[in-house]
Amino acid sequence: SQQGEEDPQALSIQEGENATMNCSYKTSINNLQWYRQNSGRGLVHLILIRSNEREKHSGRLRVTLDTSKKSSSLLITASRAADTASYFCATAPYGKSTFGDGTTLTVKP
Amino acid sequence: DTEVTQTPKHLVMGMTNKKSLKCEQHMGHRAMYWYKQKAKKPPELMFVYSYEKLSINESVPSRFSPECPNSSLLNLHLHALQPEDSALYLCASSQVAGQGPGNTIYFGEGSWLTVV
Repeated sequence: SQQGEEDPQALSIQEGENATMNCSYKTSINNLQWYRQNSGRGLVHLILIRSNEREKHSGRLRVTLDTSKKSSSLLITASRAADTASYFCATAPYGKSTFGDGTTLTVKP
Repeated sequence: DTEVTQTPKHLVMGMTNKKSLKCEQHMGHRAMYWYKQKAKKPPELMFVYSYEKLSINESVPSRFSPECPNSSLLNLHLHALQPEDSALYLCASSQVAGQGPGNTIYFGEGSWLTVV
């Protein structure tokens, strides 16, 4: 991929369960961002975590960052059918905003 | 709702046609981007404009020609495209380009391009 890998590539869970997806990146970063994309639509920014932060929360979202391992995770708690989407992490090495391969999340009602 | 507006939403063009994709933002952002996205793949960066000047061209073929008439508008001119160029083309903007917090990127809904 352009920037790194995300795993799993696909995740299917029941409504109410938690969903965790992981992202790895290759270069040093100032921050890492997570985006959501509903099928056939544009991407929507979810959350930004700075390189000096280890954890950040926003509503039902929890993001962690481990710069020593060059990895981040996104946890969605109490998932809903409306959370069904693809989730991408993004960094901006050399000023080029690039995206991981993404995780496709399906939340079954 | 996105504050980045793209037109048209769908475009079908022949390989000899000339067409343009248009993008507009009114958030006062000084960086604007074109991305190309194929099915089940992440967006791929094509071009970055910073303060209305082309700052990054990711080795995109010359049949794609970007233009930034002013700080709010971004066009992508298309000429002699190939069927493999069929994809979702996403316009985006951010306060500034680069790695700072100001580079949160706001995307439009995209233009679906089919080359026949």
